[in-house]
Amino acid sequence: GAGVSQSPSNKVTEKGKDVELRCDPISGHTALYWYRQSLGQGLEFLIYFQGNSAPDKSGLPSDRFSAERTGGSVSTLTIQRTQQEDSAVYLCASSLAGPTLFNSPLHFGNGTRLTVT
Amino acid sequence: GDSVTQMEGPVTLSEEAFLTINCTYTATGYPSLFWYVQYPGEGLQLLLKATKADDKGSNKGFEATYRKETTSFHLEKGSVQVSDSAVYFCALSDTNAGKSTFGDGTTLTVKP
Repeated sequence: GAGVSQSPSNKVTEKGKDVELRCDPISGHTALYWYRQSLGQGLEFLIYFQGNSAPDKSGLPSDRFSAERTGGSVSTLTIQRTQQEDSAVYLCASSLAGPTLFNSPLHFGNGTRLTVT
Repeated sequence: GDSVTQMEGPVTLSEEAFLTINCTYTATGYPSLFWYVQYPGEGLQLLLKATKADDKGSNKGFEATYRKETTSFHLEKGSVQVSDSAVYFCALSDTNAGKSTFGDGTTLTVKP
């Protein structure tokens, strides 16, 4: 079946512009995560959704970052007034995990490579 | 809060050498533990997992045992191959936290 789909795969934008990154999770997966991976670095947690709710937004770096999820499916990560330090690969993952299925692994998309010039 | 600490890299080994990548964790609940792998140019994928104490996860010759007494989940392989060169991430999923927490990743390079 289809995996986690992210679009665009690459995005080059000018400093100060807004960008939207999209994630289509695996059908039926209730949990959705956004992570950021900078070159040579580990995974930086951004936000976690359970259904349409975001119980944990603690990883969002600043108020320029926001995310929403609708219909328990597609999620959009929006970065306003982009800065050069926002350049990274943004990864989305989905999972069956929930309060009673916490041992379900994450399924990752291939990421969106964002370059802010 | 939850945290995962991985052995710092990079790790460079010769083919057929024995591999250990250390991973320890702290968790507020009773977590499941995972190893993910990211091959060059590819996305992150699950390598193996263990869901309760003393469970051993295994895949592709890699093994890791869930040790509750030492809060560890070390990754091992008896004989590495060049194709094992990748970045390895230890992670946990916790009932209390709800989200998955990842270590910083360990880069493994295997030379012929």
